[in-house]
Amino acid sequence: AQKVTQAQTEISVVEKEDVTLDCVYETRDTTYYLFWYKQPPSGELVFLIRRNSFDEQNEISGRYSWNFQKSTSSFNFTITASQVVDSAVYFCALSEGAAGNKLTFGGGTRVLVKP
Amino acid sequence: EAQVTQNPRYLITVTGKKLTVTCSQNMNHEYMSWYRQDPGLGLRQIYYSMNVEVTDKGDVPEGYKVSRKEKRNFPLILESPSPNQTSLYFCASSYRDGTDTQYFGPGTRLTVL
Repeated sequence: AQKVTQAQTEISVVEKEDVTLDCVYETRDTTYYLFWYKQPPSGELVFLIRRNSFDEQNEISGRYSWNFQKSTSSFNFTITASQVVDSAVYFCALSEGAAGNKLTFGGGTRVLVKP
Repeated sequence: EAQVTQNPRYLITVTGKKLTVTCSQNMNHEYMSWYRQDPGLGLRQIYYSMNVEVTDKGDVPEGYKVSRKEKRNFPLILESPSPNQTSLYFCASSYRDGTDTQYFGPGTRLTVL
């Protein structure tokens, strides 16, 4: 069974600080896909990244970066030089390739960026 | 504009009164899914559909029904709502299946009294 754990329920930082969100997953599949979504206070879910299990390269997109490590089953997300607009709940999610029908979410991490 | 729409966005109802939350996508996606979001639990899948007339249960299907008669629509039906179904509901769609990027609707906040 697939499982995603986001151990940090809430993180509070001051603007311009870096913040790293942890995501640990469990799966028996060798083919799987990992995602991050952002949920701002307005409530919608915004897609951030999709990564398959065969691509372990780290990715950077502006102030966002992702560190995928299969050896530790982790897919961590870092916001560099945080801004108030980064305040949101962030969800990590996993979909197994064999089943292909389900997206399992972690419990989410609330990030509060103070000015 | 490519989007997933849900209606209504907010609904307050009473126990036992049947209701339907509609979901529609204009991206010609094959896969559609319903999730509920509850504090501390993240999002949990209720039902999904791989294509027209093909639906299956997710993790928390009890008390819900769905149908997929047309590719673009995937309504969620609560035949006899109960207070434990008070939640934030999201519909999502993706090109082929759950491994593709899912695009979410704006959410429906349901309160069952």
